[in-house]
Amino acid sequence: DTGVSQDPRHKITKRGQNVTFRCDPISEHNRLYWYRQTLGQGPEFLTYFQNEAQLEKSRLLSDRFSAERPKGSFSTLEIQRTEQGDSAMYLCASSHSRDNRRTEAFFGQGTRLTVV
Amino acid sequence: SQQGEEDPQALSIQEGENATMNCSYKTSINNLQWYRQNSGRGLVHLILIRSNEREKHSGRLRVTLDTSKKSSSLLITASRAADTASYFCATDSRVFGKGTKLTVNP
Repeated sequence: DTGVSQDPRHKITKRGQNVTFRCDPISEHNRLYWYRQTLGQGPEFLTYFQNEAQLEKSRLLSDRFSAERPKGSFSTLEIQRTEQGDSAMYLCASSHSRDNRRTEAFFGQGTRLTVV
Repeated sequence: SQQGEEDPQALSIQEGENATMNCSYKTSINNLQWYRQNSGRGLVHLILIRSNEREKHSGRLRVTLDTSKKSSSLLITASRAADTASYFCATDSRVFGKGTKLTVNP
């Protein structure tokens, strides 16, 4: 499978615990995006990387959220001290940017987080 | 308010009919993308249209872009029950609207 892969697919955690999600992008894609989606809403942009550099962070990304892409390949999104309001689907997408022209972003299946 | 807003919020049609969804946005863009999402699943990319393009086709899909009006439309011709899904537009892979929920009745 050469698509975007996310792990785990589902995560149930107790309030206050830390969680970490992983995203493996399409191998030749240099851009990687994280989004959050709640029921009935469109995805909300959280952050994106070009290679290993985190180029943009949404103000939605509070101090409890951190994302990394250490080697410019896979990425992790960590949420510390989870709150019930963090319950959502977390989506990852990747795309290729060449000569500053962006191509379409391909999405993974998402990680559904439930904070109880 | 969030840019990339789709209209209508919900659309119900019969199989074989055409479905048109609209998207409005607020700031200048490099590109606009349309996605489909089946309930509880990931998003599937449909079409990307760049700011210097006015129309694009892909199979039964036709997308237009009017940068002067900051709007785009997605037309699905000869709809099928399998087209039932939510459709989102996104500007520069950043901002998504709330989507149009399309139901195609067999």
